[in-house]
Amino acid sequence: DSGVTQTPKHLITATGQRVTLRCSPRSGDLSVYWYQQSLDQGLQFLIQYYNGEERAKGNILERFSAQQFPDLHSELNLSSLELGDSALYFCASSVGQLNTEAFFGQGTRLTVV
Amino acid sequence: QKEVEQDPGPLSVPEGAIVSLNCTYSNSAFQYFMWYRQYSRKGPELLMYTYSSGNKEDGRFTAQVDKSSKYISLFIRDSQPSDSATYLCAMSEDTGKLIFGQGTTLQVKP
Repeated sequence: DSGVTQTPKHLITATGQRVTLRCSPRSGDLSVYWYQQSLDQGLQFLIQYYNGEERAKGNILERFSAQQFPDLHSELNLSSLELGDSALYFCASSVGQLNTEAFFGQGTRLTVV
Repeated sequence: QKEVEQDPGPLSVPEGAIVSLNCTYSNSAFQYFMWYRQYSRKGPELLMYTYSSGNKEDGRFTAQVDKSSKYISLFIRDSQPSDSATYLCAMSEDTGKLIFGQGTTLQVKP
């Protein structure tokens, strides 16, 4: 167990809908990272928050947004969902701002039908 | 061309073999190099982290970074069936943005 908690584990929703994925980092970690893993694209970095502030951004779609709350948990919001958004979404956390010793959660498997 | 290239395999070896996994990259600004192991349907688990060039050893695992060739390697000695997993290389500049390879699927046969 990495200490990073993601909910829900599985999510099935229809195209056009909006979902929220939640991540609780390890105790003491200030950075939260979001990744998308699909068969064709592999593991893709989406966005990083450090102590509530956005720190780094990857190829995150405009339909996707994230935030980190004062208690350091984070949410990833996915809207206007398309079939191609079906993937595993991972959250990771680390103490510092560099993603060198990050611990990953077990992921949320999103299926868009 | 992808920033990080990794042969997806699969790679099949007998138990006890030495395994060599490799990645090449194109961005000379990468400074931090990592290897993750991912079991099916699980989150990636950090195995090794190396800063800049050089070697690092941890038990049966050795990571090598050759920045002049833009090439990194992970060696697994005395491989075990429990090492069967997907191995992902990852690297970053001086930021939180981590770029992953596609992953190499390894099977160690008893």
